[in-house]
This record gives sequence, structure tokens and C-alpha cells, in this order.
Amino acid sequence: GESVGLHLPTLSVQEGDNSIINCAYSNSASDYFIWYKQESGKGPQFIIDIRSNMDKRQGQRVTVLLNKTVKHLSLQIAATQPGDSAVYFCAENPGTGFQKLVFGTGTRLLVSP
Amino acid sequence: EPEVTQTPSHQVTQMGQEVILRCVPISNHLYFYWYRQILGQKVEFLVSFYNNEISEKSEIFDDQFSVERPDGSNFTLKIRSTKLEDSAMYFCASRKHRTDGPEQYFGPGTRLTVT
Repeated sequence: GESVGLHLPTLSVQEGDNSIINCAYSNSASDYFIWYKQESGKGPQFIIDIRSNMDKRQGQRVTVLLNKTVKHLSLQIAATQPGDSAVYFCAENPGTGFQKLVFGTGTRLLVSP
Repeated sequence: EPEVTQTPSHQVTQMGQEVILRCVPISNHLYFYWYRQILGQKVEFLVSFYNNEISEKSEIFDDQFSVERPDGSNFTLKIRSTKLEDSAMYFCASRKHRTDGPEQYFGPGTRLTVT
């Protein structure tokens, strides 16, 4: 089936720490994964993506890791800043033709100065 | 930077009334989507639209829902007879072309409150 879930609903860190947000997915046919950031009152904002033929992808201060063996996805944020405080969703494309996204339940990241 | 826009930002309506939520996708995008997010829950797919027709829809998208692209810029979601459980944030999203990557760009959402 199509199911994307998150282990931790809230993650609290200090400014400057590295943050790791985790996500489990169940559809082995998914070929594409995205991390979105959602600030209060706003729509999801694209952060970084990774295709199923990759294990790791780096962006600016963010890294996404994909472990297909255990169907696990993680988002690492380096030197977390107060502006990173938001809800983070992982989303998967389950391989259907028009690329609908299946979202996880979200993790709230709270960054203390 | 181009962005998806949505109007209104907040819509309050009475149960049984019709509502139309409006979206202006990014201009060179070809795929359009509606999602909803009930307060505190995850974002749920409703419908995708390509080449002037629905390409995929979820179980949520029943006969009370319809979508339309009435001109070259607007993309609308209509709910014919709203129910209390339709109260949610509704997000429009768009995507370029299949070969340009499947990342979808979301608008700021319309908060629909059904009383």
C-alpha cells in the first residue's frame, strides 16, 4: 500500500546543533522522495529531493539519506537556525504516472536560540 | 521567483453551500494538483489535472468535488455542497514537465471553514 510515516512528532534542538528528521515509507515501488518544510500558515516549501537510485544527496546545509533496504529516509540539517523551525514532511511518489505525492504525518522542529 | 497563488486566503461558508477555491499556477507548468490538510494532520492528495482533464483522483474527491481550468491561468476547485468535514486547508500545486523533475510547488493555501 501507500504509507509514509514519521517516527518523532516533535524535535527540539539548540541553535547550531545538527538536526536529523526521520521518515519511514512502505511502498517499495516509490521512485522519488521529497522533503518539504511548512511554516505556520504557509504551504509546503520544497527543500530537497532524492531519486530511488541514489543513497545520498546534499544541498545547502541539508542532506537527505535514503536506505531502501529498510525503507527509511532522513533529513539532516547542519547548524540548525531558529529560521529552520517548522514542520517537516517527507513525501513519496508512488510511481504512478502523474506523480501524485503521498505525504507523511510531519515532524515539528523547534530550534531554541 | 514565480510562485503559485491562491485566493481567498480564508473562506467561511455554511454547510450545504457551494464554494470555489481559486489558484493561479506557475505560468509554464503543465501539471496541476489539489491537496488538503485537515488541522494537525498530514497533507492529502485530492486530484491531479493535466491536458485539461483529471488524470488521477483520490477517494476523497467524490462527486461533490470538481476542478476546472477555465482559462490559461486559473485552476479552480469547486465543492458543490460543503460538509463540516470539508473544513481544512486546501493547497494548490503545480509542476513543470515530466522530464523536468516531479517536484511540485505549492501555494499558500486557502483555509476553508464550514459552519
